[in-house]
Amino acid sequence: QVQLVESGGGVVQPGRSLRLSCAASEFTFSSHGMFWVRQAPGKGLEWVALIWYDGSIKSYADSVKGRFSISRDNSKNTLFLQMNSLRAEDTAVYYCARGGTSWDLDYWGQGTLVTVSS
Amino acid sequence: QSALTQPPSASGSPGQSVTISCTGTSSDVGGYKYVSWYQQHPGKAPKVLIYEVNKRPSGVPDRFSGSKSGSTASLTVSGLQAEDEADYYCSSYADTNNYVFGTGTKVTVL
Repeated sequence: QVQLVESGGGVVQPGRSLRLSCAASEFTFSSHGMFWVRQAPGKGLEWVALIWYDGSIKSYADSVKGRFSISRDNSKNTLFLQMNSLRAEDTAVYYCARGGTSWDLDYWGQGTLVTVSS
Repeated sequence: QSALTQPPSASGSPGQSVTISCTGTSSDVGGYKYVSWYQQHPGKAPKVLIYEVNKRPSGVPDRFSGSKSGSTASLTVSGLQAEDEADYYCSSYADTNNYVFGTGTKVTVL
């Protein structure tokens, strides 16, 4: 069964950095685009970033552009999200999700909580 | 990158149907067939119900159906059951490798 396991969340001060990881298993990781999606407490889903299967295309939500960077290591079946200059409004559960064949997100991890607070 | 517009809430009695709308623009919903719908129960990760406007992944009951007209997509849940009480989100591919979610709709089974 497809598995996505996020890690790296925690409490961080405003202006600092954090790196999230998403370990993928039980599917051919290098064949799928991958996404990061976040959900602030009590709020809706917000797309954060996406990366094509080979890493050739990366795209970001305006709210994180220039501060966050998505990357992947296909040799280690791992997706990353480097988050710099963190703000209070970045506080959320961060999910990694697998891109399906039709721009759907067909598998999701359990999420990792990032809290930005002094 | 504005969120797609959904009604905040919808409700129905067991056995009834409820339809949720998802309104975007020609740059997202109206311009592509890549509209998906997700169900999220409290404290859980979202689960895809519909992809490519009206296709159901294996294992999703046929009580869930999707459609699209212009820049508005819709999700219909027929034969409402207690376990359908959840938050529902639409999403769409958007111009130039972007992606957007809807604002979310809380469905209550009365």
